[in-house]
Amino acid sequence: KNQVEQSPQSLIILEGKNCTLQCNYTVSPFSNLRWYKQDTGRGPVSLTIMTFSENTKSNGRYTATLDADTKQSSLHITASQLSDSASYICVVSASNTDKLIFGTGTRLQVFP
Amino acid sequence: KAGVTQTPRYLIKTRGQQVTLSCSPISGHRSVSWYQQTPGQGLQFLFEYFSETQRNKGNFPGRFSGRQFSNSRSEMNVSTLELGDSALYLCASSTGPTNTEAFFGQGTRLTVV
Repeated sequence: KNQVEQSPQSLIILEGKNCTLQCNYTVSPFSNLRWYKQDTGRGPVSLTIMTFSENTKSNGRYTATLDADTKQSSLHITASQLSDSASYICVVSASNTDKLIFGTGTRLQVFP
Repeated sequence: KAGVTQTPRYLIKTRGQQVTLSCSPISGHRSVSWYQQTPGQGLQFLFEYFSETQRNKGNFPGRFSGRQFSNSRSEMNVSTLELGDSALYLCASSTGPTNTEAFFGQGTRLTVV
């Protein structure tokens, strides 16, 4: 069964600290993996998209990694800011279907 | 370039009523997907339309339906509303199949009382 699991479910950090969010998937055959940021009450916004051949992709202070062998991805946030407080959703696409499989997200709260 | 526009932003309906939500994709995008988001379930795929044809459908009852018009605008309809239909309904547009980048709208918050 195609599944995407994220951990931790929620995370609290202090402003300026770094953090890493995890995503494990069982989607096969794999096409691409995306990380989205979703502010409360708003639609998700794409941070990165990675295909099978990409190990790392950065978007400002956000760096995503992908290990297609172990089917794991991480999203590292550097020097967190209050505006990073949001839910981060990992989404995986299978190459034999056009559907996106969503993780349930990690809720990050950054405190001053 | 305008983003994905969903209307209305907020909606309150009573049980048994029906509701229609609208989504205008980014200009030039021909694929529109709909999702239901609830606190307990996360994002659940409803259906996807491409060039006025439904290409994929999620595991939702027949009360949930949709359509796409020739200008790529899409509507989804929920009939005989239930309390459990209360959710944020998100629409995403892309240039083609869902393996291309999807851009989400702000969503419609539906509350069923």
